[in-house]
Amino acid sequence: KNEVEQSPQNLTAQEGEFITINCSYSVGISALHWLQQHPGGGIVSLFMLSSGKKKHGRLIATINIQEKHSSLHITASHPRDSAVYICAVKTSGSRLTFGEGTQLTVNP
Amino acid sequence: NAGVMQNPRHLVRRRGQEARLRCSPMKGHSHVYWYRQLPEEGLKFMVYLQKENIIDESGMPKERFSAEFPKEGPSILRIQQVVRGDSAAYFCASSQGANSNEQYFGPGTRLTVT
Repeated sequence: KNEVEQSPQNLTAQEGEFITINCSYSVGISALHWLQQHPGGGIVSLFMLSSGKKKHGRLIATINIQEKHSSLHITASHPRDSAVYICAVKTSGSRLTFGEGTQLTVNP
Repeated sequence: NAGVMQNPRHLVRRRGQEARLRCSPMKGHSHVYWYRQLPEEGLKFMVYLQKENIIDESGMPKERFSAEFPKEGPSILRIQQVVRGDSAAYFCASSQGANSNEQYFGPGTRLTVT
């Protein structure tokens, strides 16, 4: 079993829909990252959080440390949000352990 | 403030050749991390370096791979005698500090071994 599990693996939505991507982890962490990887391959860091909730534009990330679970929400989704979303946790030291990613496709 | 820079962006090598991948961290960042993304797989940690020191190389293959981050200049990931299985995207990230600081990713180097 992977230390970081994401669901769903693939997600197709219509433009305007509210989207949720989930991440569960099985180890103690110091922080959790949500990353976005576009078809060109580049990786953008969306959030780093260790408790509570963060919001940036249409993106919201939450984390529940007791339940070892985080969610990434996208409100009013748009085709340009189509990408792979990756959850990563920082465990011992500074290394990141990654989930397998969620491929999101938003259709117009 | 330029972001993390990696070069080359694309690198083609024949089996048995050497590959050198470079990473210049963001200004003011002294911590560098290398990650590998094999085709159709997730990202995996390889090595964590500070200036002139390897802090954690537990994700690095034991043979043919080495990394350095000299006092001056970029961090280098070196792969000797490349094989087809080394074909992957190699990402570098940097941070200002260690445990509490966000990591910023470079655009990656896509290595193809023919």
